[in-house]
Amino acid sequence: GQNIDQPTEMTATEGAIVQINCTYQTSGFNGLFWYQQHAGEAPTFLSYNVLDGLEEKGRFSSFLSRSKGYSYLLLKELQMKDSASYLCAVRDGDYKLSFGAGTTVTVRA
Amino acid sequence: IAGITQAPTSQILAAGRRMTLRCTQDMRHNAMYWYRQDLGLGLRLIHYSNTAGTTGKGEVPDGYSVSRANTDDFPLTLASAVPSQTSVYFCASSDSAGGPGELFFGEGSRLTVL
Repeated sequence: GQNIDQPTEMTATEGAIVQINCTYQTSGFNGLFWYQQHAGEAPTFLSYNVLDGLEEKGRFSSFLSRSKGYSYLLLKELQMKDSASYLCAVRDGDYKLSFGAGTTVTVRA
Repeated sequence: IAGITQAPTSQILAAGRRMTLRCTQDMRHNAMYWYRQDLGLGLRLIHYSNTAGTTGKGEVPDGYSVSRANTDDFPLTLASAVPSQTSVYFCASSDSAGGPGELFFGEGSRLTVL
């Protein structure tokens, strides 16, 4: 199986920046995903990295370092609607996706 | 536009009873998955199917079975429910033909076993 670690909770102020780190150990690697999940809802896809470097998508960016087994999700210009759980997920050599426990981000006014 | 439909949305079940959670997708995705989500543990893979007619075991398969008779449907059966199977169950699908192959999730089925 996979070992995926991310912080349990983070709190930030509206308009600020928050960085959610994710470290992983995997048998084979076929990409790293970030999902957003609002309370009581299904997860929705945010970003995908398979090569080292930064992928930018509007206010959200995701970074990957395969040699370090490390990724982060950067949320800029935080809005109240960004309060949610953010899930780091790694696809292994068998193309199965394993998830971390998730990081709950609370945005305060 | 339906995407992935799960049923039931919520169910309370007596221990020992048999239960089937239904999942149907209309996106013609080749791969389908069942996850359970528990507080503090995140999403854990129960079973998966890479294509119609094939299935595989995930991280927590014990007590569950699946079938994939066609592309669209992927039911999850609990043969004899136990309280530890109380959870939120998510069905998901993905299409590896082009793009990153991200998962699309259903809205979830909340199951309580008493």
